Amino acid sequence: DGGITQSPKYLFRKEGQNVTLSCEQNLNHDAMYWYRQDPGQGLRLIYYSQIVNDFQKGDIAEGYSVSREKKESFPLTVTSAQKNPTAFYLCASSQLAGGITGELFFGEGSRLTVL
Amino acid sequence: AQSVTQLGSHVSVSEGALVLLRCNYSSSVPPYLFWYVQYPNQGLQLLLKYTSAATLVKGINGFEAEFKKSETSFHLTKPSAHMSDAAEYFCAVSVTGFQKLVFGTGTRLLVSP
Repeated sequence: DGGITQSPKYLFRKEGQNVTLSCEQNLNHDAMYWYRQDPGQGLRLIYYSQIVNDFQKGDIAEGYSVSREKKESFPLTVTSAQKNPTAFYLCASSQLAGGITGELFFGEGSRLTVL
Repeated sequence: AQSVTQLGSHVSVSEGALVLLRCNYSSSVPPYLFWYVQYPNQGLQLLLKYTSAATLVKGINGFEAEFKKSETSFHLTKPSAHMSDAAEYFCAVSVTGFQKLVFGTGTRLLVSP
């Protein structure tokens, strides 16, 4: 089955530690995205990538970093510079060429709790 | 820049009652509009989408939404609520040429027996 796999589903870390969230897709989609979800705030875009080896900052990129070395993979690192990292993180992908603009397919999410 | 506003962070209905979740958009160009549903601790699933082909859009699980340009609205409805409809619903907008969705803050639907 095609889809998006995020891991781990739950993650606990101490303050000051960097953590990396994995996102893999086998949909052959061009674009990939990372969103952060907090209660009452909806989804906010962290980073997105439309092509391998290229990515752009979203609305809340500070304290995060990404890489796009392979089409199917888009890991997110939450660095110690992120002041409030506890949140639910969602990875998504979309087909750019020939697809409906903006239609996203989501993974199951990763819940990060910083102690 | 485009945006969406969802009125009501929580909506409560009884099982069998009409579901109405409100979404108003702001866009200077014709938008694409989406409704997504999220169950607890899961990702988002597409319910339906408006891409200018028809103003009344039917989606999965009996939901539908009507695009009203004069009211800049895209409200989500379902004639009869089921307990399994309890979830959070997000409205989102994008425009041609931009590959980013902008989400509303979400509406949590509560269904009571």
